[in-house]
Amino acid sequence: EVQLVESGGGLVQPGRSLKLSCAASGFTFSSFAMAWVRQAPKKGLEWVATITSGGSNTYYPDSVKGRFTISRDNAKSTLYLQMDSLRSEDTATYYCAKDLAYWGQGVMVTVSS
Amino acid sequence: DVVMTQTPVSLPVSLGGQASISCRSSQSLVHSNGNTYLHWYLQKPGQSPQLLIYRVSNRFSGVPDRFSGSGSGTDFTLKISRVEPEDLGDYYCLQSTHFPWTFGGGTKLELK
Repeated sequence: EVQLVESGGGLVQPGRSLKLSCAASGFTFSSFAMAWVRQAPKKGLEWVATITSGGSNTYYPDSVKGRFTISRDNAKSTLYLQMDSLRSEDTATYYCAKDLAYWGQGVMVTVSS
Repeated sequence: DVVMTQTPVSLPVSLGGQASISCRSSQSLVHSNGNTYLHWYLQKPGQSPQLLIYRVSNRFSGVPDRFSGSGSGTDFTLKISRVEPEDLGDYYCLQSTHFPWTFGGGTKLELK
């Protein structure tokens, strides 16, 4: 059974950093592209980042490019999202997703002073 | 960026009835490899989104055949027949043909 468990969320001040993790199990992690998607409170879904199976290619929308970095450790079956220079508009629940087919339960990030 | 226009925003339905949701893209979603990467999700209250349909018309594992997807190019539709209580929630389309990947604004399926 595919399981994705996010962690690392919390309250952070504007301009600070936070690193999210997503522990994966139930499938061969190194064989699949992974993504992060977020949802601001009471809002729709927004794609945040994608990384290819080997980690060599990463993709971001302009809203986070240069501030967020997606990475993975295939030996640990773990996906990461390093978030720097956080803004209030980054406040959201962050989901990791395998192949856009399986999603974790999400982790809340609140950016506020 | 590809804009995904999803309609209606709210869709009141009766249990046992039929629902239809439209998703239109600002440009063709046909990839250079010939595939069309248009997917549909349902997000039930308090839950993560769950994949219903991938690549226009393919039902994901465990999805009842009451759900069907169709369309091509820039115009896509999700149909739900014989609506059941567990079908209520927010529906989203997603295109992953072009970067940045973009979602539709969502459709809330609720009881009439």
